[in-house]
Amino acid sequence: AQSVAQPEDQVNVAEGNPLTVKCTYSVSGNPYLFWYVQYPNRGLQFLLKYITGDNLVKGSYGFEAEFNKSQTSFHLKKPSALVSDSALYFCAVRGGNYQLIWGAGTKLIIKP
Amino acid sequence: GAGVSQSPRYKVAKRGQDVALRCDPISGHVSLFWYQQALGQGPEFLTYFQNEAQLDKSGLPSDRFFAERPEGSVSTLKIQRTQQEDSAVYLCASSLSSGRQGETQYFGPGTRLLVL
Repeated sequence: AQSVAQPEDQVNVAEGNPLTVKCTYSVSGNPYLFWYVQYPNRGLQFLLKYITGDNLVKGSYGFEAEFNKSQTSFHLKKPSALVSDSALYFCAVRGGNYQLIWGAGTKLIIKP
Repeated sequence: GAGVSQSPRYKVAKRGQDVALRCDPISGHVSLFWYQQALGQGPEFLTYFQNEAQLDKSGLPSDRFFAERPEGSVSTLKIQRTQQEDSAVYLCASSLSSGRQGETQYFGPGTRLLVL
């Protein structure tokens, strides 16, 4: 069965420090991997995705993610965190059908 | 351009009432998805349309849930005889075409349903 795991409920980072939000997946076949961000009372905003090609994917707002096939991971990263990055982050995978399968989300808190 | 819009943004219903949630996808988008997001959890897939055809409704939790997209644009998710466990945020997403598995889904702001 296809699944996504986000092992951390919450990640705390000081402003200006690098951040990592972890995601691992389990799918049959080629994975199509996504990161979305959700601000309070707002919908999910697309950040980036991995389809094929380079393992390092660059996305919106300075975020990037590294696809690692051997570790079945797709961790979200940013070199220097901003207070405004504080939000809920979701990893999702789309396998052999049409739907997105989501992780439980990671709350990112950036402290000034 | 305009994104995905949903209405109402908030809905309070008494247990047993019927509700209808509307989604206006991005103009020209072929695919439309409904998801349910319970508090503190990731979204769960409900159903998928390609134009007016409902190709997958495997995620609908019971026969009280019904979705339609009669003209291949606006979609309505209807919940009959609402129960307290139906309380959640209902998210609508659309994508440009179909069959491309890496295609990005764009989400609306959601409808927060509270059943009392």
